[in-house]
Amino acid sequence: AQRVTQPEKLLSVFKGAPVELKCNYSYSGSPELFWYVQYSRQRLQLLLRHISRESIKGFTADLNKGETSFHLKKPFAQEEDSAMYYCALKGDSNYQLIWGAGTKLIIKP
Amino acid sequence: GAGVSQSPSNKVTEKGKDVELRCDPISGHTALYWYRQSLGQGLEFLIYFQGNSAPDKSGLPSDRFSAERTGGSVSTLTIQRTQQEDSAVYLCASSPGPRGREQFFGPGTRLTVL
Repeated sequence: AQRVTQPEKLLSVFKGAPVELKCNYSYSGSPELFWYVQYSRQRLQLLLRHISRESIKGFTADLNKGETSFHLKKPFAQEEDSAMYYCALKGDSNYQLIWGAGTKLIIKP
Repeated sequence: GAGVSQSPSNKVTEKGKDVELRCDPISGHTALYWYRQSLGQGLEFLIYFQGNSAPDKSGLPSDRFSAERTGGSVSTLTIQRTQQEDSAVYLCASSPGPRGREQFFGPGTRLTVL
């Protein structure tokens, strides 16, 4: 079965602290993974994808096939990082993404 | 260029009424998706269009839900005989093609069924 699990519904950290949003996936093939973000009153948008191996807004995510994880990390959280974060998997389907339930990140001042 | 647009932005209706939600994808995008986002839930896939055809309707929750797309562009999601559990934000997204990796989302329509 293809599945994406984000175990934390809510994550609250202080400004300047490291943040890690967890994402685990279940997929037997070669996965493509994405992180999408939805800031307050804004539309859902792509943050980063693992194939690009990029850092966006200080966030990085490494695909760990051994642990079937794609955790999103940032060393020093900023208040503007407060948002809803979704992890998504492109599995067998050419078009459909499998979505996690999302993690609401709150950065406390 | 304009992004994905959706109308109305908010819709309040009475239980039992029908509603139509509209999505205008990015020009040239052949793939179009409808999702439902309920409070505290993730994204629930409803339906996917490639051009005007819908190869995957598996996510539609019941036969009260239907969607169509015309001219390979605008799509409407219709909910008949609305129920309170239909209350949610309905999101539309488009992508350049069936293998498009990134989905571009609209602002959503917040549906409230009283």
